[in-house]
Amino acid sequence: GESVGLHLPTLSVQEGDNSIINCAYSNSASDYFIWYKQESGKGPQFIIDIRSNMDKRQGQRVTVLLNKTVKHLSLQIAATQPGDSAVYFCAENTGRRALTFGSGTRLQVQP
Amino acid sequence: SQTIHQWPATLVQPVGSPLSLECTVEGTSNPNLYWYRQAAGRGLQLLFYSVGIGQISSEVPQNLSASRPQDRQFILSSKKLLLSDSGFYLCAWSFASGRENEQFFGPGTRLTVL
Repeated sequence: GESVGLHLPTLSVQEGDNSIINCAYSNSASDYFIWYKQESGKGPQFIIDIRSNMDKRQGQRVTVLLNKTVKHLSLQIAATQPGDSAVYFCAENTGRRALTFGSGTRLQVQP
Repeated sequence: SQTIHQWPATLVQPVGSPLSLECTVEGTSNPNLYWYRQAAGRGLQLLFYSVGIGQISSEVPQNLSASRPQDRQFILSSKKLLLSDSGFYLCAWSFASGRENEQFFGPGTRLTVL
C-alpha cells in the first residue's frame, strides 16, 4: 500500500547549524501534511503543516517545503538548538479518517 | 482551550491480565478520537478511531478493543494482555470538520507487559 517514509533514521547536527529532515510520500491523493516533534516519553507535538496547494510555509525557525512533483516533504530548522533534539515525524492526510505517519527521524544536536 | 488527558502514565501488567486505558478531552465537543501504539524507536500505528459515541473503527486486528461511552471519553481495553502489547499508547483528538487534519496528542501511557 501507499505510505509515508523518511530518508534518514538519525540526523546529527551542531548547535547553531541548520537542520533538514526529509520525508517521501507515495500517495498522490494526499492534500495535507504535518510535521510533529516528539520528545522522549512524551506525545507528539504539532510543529507546522502545509496543504498541497502550497510549496512552502514558514513558522518560527521552521520551514516546510513540499515538492509534489517528486512527492517529497522537508522540514528545515534554522539555528538548531539543544531543545530541538527529538524525533520528528511527517504525517499525511490521505483522505481517510486518520493521518498516516512516517517512521520518524531522530535529530541529535551536538553542543 | 482544549486539553487531553491520559492515565495512567505508566503501567506494568502480567501477561494474561486485563487492560483499561482512559483518555478524556476537555474544551471541545464531538471530537474525533484516536488510539495509537508506538513501539520503542518506531513510528505511530493507528489502532482505533471514533467519530462519535459508540462509533469505533478498528485499523488493525488484535486482542485490543476500544469504546467511547461518552462524547469526550475514549477507552482502550484488553481482556488478556500479550507480551507484544507492550508499548507507548497515545490518544489523540481532532476537530470533526470534514476531513481530519491536525491531531492533538495526549501525554501517552507506557505499558510494559511481563
